[in-house]
Amino acid sequence: QQQVKQSPQSLIVQKGGISIINCAYENTAFDYFPWYQQFPGKGPALLIAIRPDVSEKKEGRFTISFNKSAKQFSLHIMDSQPGDSATYFCAAKKWDTDKLIFGTGTRLQVFP
Amino acid sequence: DTGVSQDPRHKITKRGQNVTFRCDPISEHNRLYWYRQTLGQGPEFLTYFQNEAQLEKSRLLSDRFSAERPKGSFSTLEIQRTEQGDSAMYLCASSLLKRGSSDTQYFGPGTRLTVL
Repeated sequence: QQQVKQSPQSLIVQKGGISIINCAYENTAFDYFPWYQQFPGKGPALLIAIRPDVSEKKEGRFTISFNKSAKQFSLHIMDSQPGDSATYFCAAKKWDTDKLIFGTGTRLQVFP
Repeated sequence: DTGVSQDPRHKITKRGQNVTFRCDPISEHNRLYWYRQTLGQGPEFLTYFQNEAQLEKSRLLSDRFSAERPKGSFSTLEIQRTEQGDSAMYLCASSLLKRGSSDTQYFGPGTRLTVL
C-alpha cells in the first residue's frame, strides 16, 4: 500500500514556466514532509521541507504548499530552468521514527 | 568532499554470491540510514542506526540482509546468497540528532548492485 501518493509521474514544462508536483498521504501521524531532487546516477538531495504547523514555505524558486485538512502537499518550482530537469520525490516521516517514506517520483523535463 | 561516501559505486555479482557495501557518513553525524531504490521508484527504507545501535529494521528486509555500524562511524550492509531481485541502487544517508529531532537526511551517491 502506497502511503504517499505522488503525481504526475512525468512533467514537461517550458523554460520560465511553473512546475507543480502533488503528493497526498493518509497517515495523520506524519509530521515532516520533505522534497528531494535526484539527478541520474546521484543520490537524492534535500530541496525543501515543511511541518504541518505552517501552510506554506518558500526557499528561492521552490515553494511547498501544505493542506493539512486535505492531507495534501505540493511543490511549486517558479521560473523553471533546464537545470531543474531531474526526478523529484516527496516524502513523509512520523514523529516517532526517522524512517522516510517516499513517493514514486516525478520526472521533470524543462525545455528551453 | 565532506559528504556521505559509499563504496563500491558499482557491483556486479553472480546469483548466490555474498556482497558487502560500505558507507561513510558525514563526520559527527550520529544517525545512519540504508535505503534501496529500484528503477523508477522512490527509495525504500531498510534500516537505521543511532551510533552503533540499530534502532529500526524494515519488516520487508529478508534475513539475507544484515547491517552493522560497529564503532558508530562507518556502516556495512551485507547481502548473503544474492538473488536477481536484489538488483537495485543501495543508498546510505546520515543525519545529526539534535534537540530530539534529526530531520535532514543527507544521501550518498549509492552503490548500484547488479545480480546476474
